[in-house]
Amino acid sequence: QQQVKQSPQSLIVQKGGISIINCAYENTAFDYFPWYQQFPGKGPALLIAIRPDVSEKKEGRFTISFNKSAKQFSLHIMDSQPGDSATYFCAASMSSGYSTLTFGKGTMLLVSP
Amino acid sequence: DAGVTQSPTHLIKTRGQQVTLRCSPKSGHDTVSWYQQALGQGPQFIFQYYEEEERQRGNFPDRFSGHQFPNYSSELNVNALLLGDSALYLCASSLESINYGYTFGSGTRLTVV
Repeated sequence: QQQVKQSPQSLIVQKGGISIINCAYENTAFDYFPWYQQFPGKGPALLIAIRPDVSEKKEGRFTISFNKSAKQFSLHIMDSQPGDSATYFCAASMSSGYSTLTFGKGTMLLVSP
Repeated sequence: DAGVTQSPTHLIKTRGQQVTLRCSPKSGHDTVSWYQQALGQGPQFIFQYYEEEERQRGNFPDRFSGHQFPNYSSELNVNALLLGDSALYLCASSLESINYGYTFGSGTRLTVV
């Protein structure tokens, strides 16, 4: 049972363009939604995260949009750069009980020069 | 400040063998979680250790076991290896009092032949 669905599986964007990755979740008990960035040979690194009490969070070129009623959230990368080429994972977690992360399957982003 | 350290970085084992992977958490962290990341997939939660006890477990068979030591470091053991156990094994550390501050290591790439 996949509790967090992520799309697209891969994405090619030109330098300077906007990259958009979408995720949908099923468990309404989730209340923490992070995005991780993973480069080849490295572990995932936290990029940005949001809680459902806000609809949008922006940090530099990265923005999370959150739609609680639709149970969806998305990552927008503005002014995409070749250095942003990596695999991006959305995840979800619950604050009740012991915190563990449920990940999406990932999106491989390639930003062409 | 060292982050999460995992060893070894790569490992090749034969079907039926046993393997032990090691993790040193980030300084100041007291909770260790293990994740399995198959090729092209998102990380899947194996189990979490706090105060030297396994306190939560994902959907993995008993062949997967672990341990946490008084210095908070941890081991992941897998018995009777199957080809399907080939994956990147990630260790993530956090502070129990702060539910969401996960730091991932670079992982151990296990290949079962």
